[in-house]
This record gives sequence, C-alpha cells and structure tokens, in this order.
Amino acid sequence: DSGVTQTPKHLITATGQRVTLRCSPRSGDLSVYWYQQSLDQGLQFLIQYYNGEERAKGNILERFSAQQFPDLHSELNLSSLELGDSALYFCASGRAGLGSTDTQYFGPGTRLTVL
Amino acid sequence: DAKTTQPPSMDCAEGRAANLPCNHSTISGNEYVYWYRQIHSQGPQYIIHGLKNNETNEMASLIITEDRKSSTLILPHATLRDTAVYYCIVRAGANSKLTFGKGITLSVRP
Repeated sequence: DSGVTQTPKHLITATGQRVTLRCSPRSGDLSVYWYQQSLDQGLQFLIQYYNGEERAKGNILERFSAQQFPDLHSELNLSSLELGDSALYFCASGRAGLGSTDTQYFGPGTRLTVL
Repeated sequence: DAKTTQPPSMDCAEGRAANLPCNHSTISGNEYVYWYRQIHSQGPQYIIHGLKNNETNEMASLIITEDRKSSTLILPHATLRDTAVYYCIVRAGANSKLTFGKGITLSVRP
C-alpha cells in the first residue's frame, strides 16, 4: 500500500459524458502527478500539481483538466469523452516539486471505460 | 531525459536471482536511474533509484556501471509474486515527470 488513494476504482460511462477522478496524496506530499495508461500508448504523464499550482504539463488533451485543492487532494476532470479515453488513470504523489528527484508513489488507479 | 533500452522479456526460476539489464548510453551527469515495476494492472511500484553508486534496499540492488551507460536491477531471491513488468527510467532532477518505456516482462517460474 503506497498511501495514495484513488476513487472510484472503476468507472463506466458513455461517449460525450464528463467524469471526475479523485486522488488523495500520501500524508506530507505536496506534489500530485497524473498518468494515463492505455493499451496502445503505454504509461504517459499528463500533468503535475505542486501545493495547489500547476507545475508541469505533458500529453494532456484540452478536454481534460485538473486541479489541486487546499487540502492537497487532486481531481482530474475528463469531458466530452471518447472511446479512446478508455484507460487506466493513475495518480502519484511526491514530497517536492520541480527541480527535485523525489520519488513518486503511485495509487491503485481508476479504470475508465467509455462505451 | 535519456532514453533507456530493455529486453522485452526474461524469465528466471523461483528462488534464484533475477538480473534485469538496462542500457542508458546517453545518460547525462545529473540524471538518476529509477526502477519501477507494475504487477498486472496495479499502480507502478517504486523499487529503487541511484545516481552513480550501487544501491541496495529491502527489495533489490541496483548496480550502475562506472561509465553510467548501463545498469542492472537484481532481485536476489525471486518469487512468483515478482512476476511483473519492470521499468528502467532515467530522470533528471529538473524534469518532474517519469517517462515510461515498454519495460521488461519478468516471468518467475516455479
């Protein structure tokens, strides 16, 4: 158990819908990272937040957005869902932000299925 | 971040040491070598990381060559539960993200 929690575990929805994935970092960690794992693309970095502010952006679609709240939990919002958005979404947390090689600890993931 | 090359798969017998190689010939001086593993579709699990010295923890040992162009992750006594995809990642301090490749699938046989 990494100490990172993600909800829900599974999510099934239809194309065009909007969903919110939630992540609670380990106690004391200020950074939250979001990754997407699909069958054809592998594990890809989406976005990082550090203490409430966006720090780094990866291959995140414009239909996707994220935020980190004052209590440090984070939410990833996916809208106008397409079949290709079906994937595992992982959140990871770490102590520090940009400029550090702090270790990232991953949560168990949310499996999103878009029908 | 430097690119890494790993064989696609390997196997080893339960109870024996598993030596997982990784090539990172373009690694820069400020880049660390990280190893993660992913068991089935679970979240990636951190194993170990190092800069230039060999490292050991309760899970594994990391051996980095003197020129830092390659490394080996050693699981000293592999068990069936070590069957997983192992990712070798090179990461600079200034770059927060982890860039995952295809990894190496380790199969531990009874």
